Amino acid sequence: EDQVTQSPEALRLQEGESSSLNCSYTVSGLRGLFWYRQDPGKGPEFLFTLYSAGEEKEKERLKATLTKKESFLHITAPKPEDSATYLCAVPPPFSGGYNKLIFGAGTRLAVHP
Amino acid sequence: EPEVTQTPSHQVTQMGQEVILRCVPISNHLYFYWYRQILGQKVEFLVSFYNNEISEKSEIFDDQFSVERPDGSNFTLKIRSTKLEDSAMYFCASRFGQGASEQFFGPGTRLTVL
Repeated sequence: EDQVTQSPEALRLQEGESSSLNCSYTVSGLRGLFWYRQDPGKGPEFLFTLYSAGEEKEKERLKATLTKKESFLHITAPKPEDSATYLCAVPPPFSGGYNKLIFGAGTRLAVHP
Repeated sequence: EPEVTQTPSHQVTQMGQEVILRCVPISNHLYFYWYRQILGQKVEFLVSFYNNEISEKSEIFDDQFSVERPDGSNFTLKIRSTKLEDSAMYFCASRFGQGASEQFFGPGTRLTVL
């Protein structure tokens, strides 16, 4: 059973058109939810960590929020350079420390001028 | 800004050959990881390593795989006898340690098994 599900699979936006990406998780006792950006052929680039419901973090045009069941990555007035795949990941339950992350399939974002 | 580096960026090998993928984690980090991503699929955990021991490994990480920290800066992944299905991007990651949960990833090595 998938523990991390991301939607939509792909999203096409016009430059300046704000939107949100969703990451829902089923792990109990969440010990953190991580957002990464991945450009084609590159490694995931760390963006945010969220630990508790109600928490929010911002970086430039990106804002990540967390509820008890899901996280949203809000993109405000995106630019073409925001085009990438956005991944979320969680550590599995009952795993010691942060020994591993379980990744979602990602949302492929394309921002057109 | 410190970053994880990986070499080579692309490795082509014949099925059955041994390959060693190399990583230099961020210098003051204590926890090290290998993940892989088959083209078009999710990033998958392979192994975590701390204090010169494997902390956890996935089902993928069978006897054909091994990891080593041969010195104070390098972290390697060896695949003893490569298979076609080992073709993937392999990412190394590192984490500082206590109080820091974030893993920082390298740029990856693209492994192609022919």
